[in-house]
Amino acid sequence: GQNIDQPTEMTATEGAIVQINCTYQTSGFNGLFWYQQHAGEAPTFLSYNVLDGLEEKGRFSSFLSRSKGYSYLLLKELQMKDSASYLCAVSLYGNNRLAFGKGNQVVVIP
Amino acid sequence: NAGVTQTPKFRILKIGQSMTLQCTQDMNHNYMYWYRQDPGMGLKLIYYSVGAGITDKGEVPNGYNVSRSTTEDFPLRLELAAPSQTSVYFCASSSGGAHEQYFGPGTRLTVT
Repeated sequence: GQNIDQPTEMTATEGAIVQINCTYQTSGFNGLFWYQQHAGEAPTFLSYNVLDGLEEKGRFSSFLSRSKGYSYLLLKELQMKDSASYLCAVSLYGNNRLAFGKGNQVVVIP
Repeated sequence: NAGVTQTPKFRILKIGQSMTLQCTQDMNHNYMYWYRQDPGMGLKLIYYSVGAGITDKGEVPNGYNVSRSTTEDFPLRLELAAPSQTSVYFCASSSGGAHEQYFGPGTRLTVT
């Protein structure tokens, strides 16, 4: 089975940096995805890590440690439009299934 | 490309009624998925398909059925709707391997 854990909510100020953590225990790990989901909308892809280390993509960076079963998503220079839920999802080896965490709601305030 | 499209956007069902949620993708993806998302929760996999003619159960398949007769279409059938099936349903597709999944806009279903 899979167990994916994320904190539920955090509030941060516009312009700040926020780190969203995800820990996981799965069998057949084939990478970790981060998705962004605005209220009432579908999830959209942010990043994918399969090797240990940091992947940077503009204001967003994602880190993976496979030995620790740990990932984080770093959001820099927060903007109001970054208010959303951030979903961590583990890709399971063999059939491209994703196991999702519950998501972390980020609220950006002025 | 329209990507992944879903119909209807909203639906209210009475207990015991049946309906089919439609999903179509125009990206020629082999992999397709159905998820449900309850308030404040992540997505739970209902059924998935790795290609036309092949389907398999996910985490929460009870009360649902699927078929995959073409690469493009992956309808989800609810038989004998129950209040526990009130949720938002998302269809997704992927080119496979560990590639990202593309999601449709969702169907908001209420069973009363």
